[in-house]
Amino acid sequence: AQTVTQSQPEMSVQEAETVTLSCTYDTSESDYYLFWYKQPPSRQMILVIRQEAYKQQNATENRFSVNFQKAAKSFSLKISDSQLGDAAMYFCAYRSALEYGNKLVFGAGTILRVKS
Amino acid sequence: KAGVTQTPRYLIKTRGQQVTLSCSPISGHRSVSWYQQTPGQGLQFLFEYFSETQRNKGNFPGRFSGRQFSNSRSEMNVSTLELGDSALYLCASSLLGIHDSGTEAFFGQGTRLTVV
Repeated sequence: AQTVTQSQPEMSVQEAETVTLSCTYDTSESDYYLFWYKQPPSRQMILVIRQEAYKQQNATENRFSVNFQKAAKSFSLKISDSQLGDAAMYFCAYRSALEYGNKLVFGAGTILRVKS
Repeated sequence: KAGVTQTPRYLIKTRGQQVTLSCSPISGHRSVSWYQQTPGQGLQFLFEYFSETQRNKGNFPGRFSGRQFSNSRSEMNVSTLELGDSALYLCASSLLGIHDSGTEAFFGQGTRLTVV
């Protein structure tokens, strides 16, 4: 079974600064998808960024980028120019590409606080 | 385009009762997944339905069940409620077809169930 570990329960960042959230995962599969989801106080999970394991290039979405290290099974999220609206719980998630369906395995989450 | 709609938003039930939660996916989405979110266990996959068939199931007791209707709307049912069933129940929908494993899952705002 796959597992996802987020070792930082809470992080803080100053507005306009950069912060990196860590995520490691364990799998014996070679093909899979990795995601970062954001859950603000409204509770609705919002996809921030996704990475296909077969792609070597790190995904980027505006101020959000990932550092995907497949051999190390590491998938960190970098938020540049942090904004107050980035404050939320961030979840790292794994999905197998070998199984049909949309079963996501989530990490425990990291609370991100943004200070003005 | 309307998002994923979950009803009700809040629910209080008594131990031993049963409860039914509803999820209306985004129009055109055929896959609906359910997750339980608790402070202690985090986000855990319950089950997924695609074209009215359960495609994946997590490690939950048989008291947790679900179904999907021909219009893709899904319901989950919990019978003989226990205090530990208190949680945020999230529903996610996606376009996922048989050969498409990489589609994004869109989440609803969840139903907060409290068992007293």
